[in-house]
Amino acid sequence: DSGVTQTPKHLITATGQRVTLRCSPRSGDLSVYWYQQSLDQGLQFLIQYYNGEERAKGNILERFSAQQFPDLHSELNLSSLELGDSALYFCASSPSGGSYLYEQYFGPGTRLTVT
Amino acid sequence: SQQGEEDPQALSIQEGENATMNCSYKTSINNLQWYRQNSGRGLVHLILIRSNEREKHSGRLRVTLDTSKKSSSLLITASRAADTASYFCATLNYGGSQGNLIFGKGTKLSVKP
Repeated sequence: DSGVTQTPKHLITATGQRVTLRCSPRSGDLSVYWYQQSLDQGLQFLIQYYNGEERAKGNILERFSAQQFPDLHSELNLSSLELGDSALYFCASSPSGGSYLYEQYFGPGTRLTVT
Repeated sequence: SQQGEEDPQALSIQEGENATMNCSYKTSINNLQWYRQNSGRGLVHLILIRSNEREKHSGRLRVTLDTSKKSSSLLITASRAADTASYFCATLNYGGSQGNLIFGKGTKLSVKP
């Protein structure tokens, strides 16, 4: 158990819908990272938050957004969903804003299926 | 975009044998990390090696790093069926305060009892 929790575990929704994925980092970790894992694209970094502020952006679509709240939990919002958004979405946390010294701890993921 | 490229893509061995996976990357790195993923589950951090280190051990794991060749290898000795998983190398996106990892496509290891 990494100490990172993600809800829900599974999500099935229709195209065009909007969903929210939730992540609680390990106690004391200030950074939250979101990754998407799909068969064709592999593991892709989406976005990072550090202590409530956006720190880095990766291959995140404009239809996707995220935020980190004062209690450090984070939410990833996916809207106007398309079939191609079906994937595993992982949240990871680390103590600092950079991974120079620290590994990242991954949650169990949310499996999103868009039908 | 992928930074690391693991080789081989798939590896099948018998229990007790050693498994070696290789990773090549493209740009300068702060560190390189190896993660394990059991089928459809979260990633588990295995080992982190800094750019100024050449070799690191953790239990049955041995990681080497050659920054001149931009490559790393992960050796699992005396493999067990429980080692069956996908293994990913990941490099730190170097630059500023960014800390996101860039993953390779992974090596799928199958250890047969």
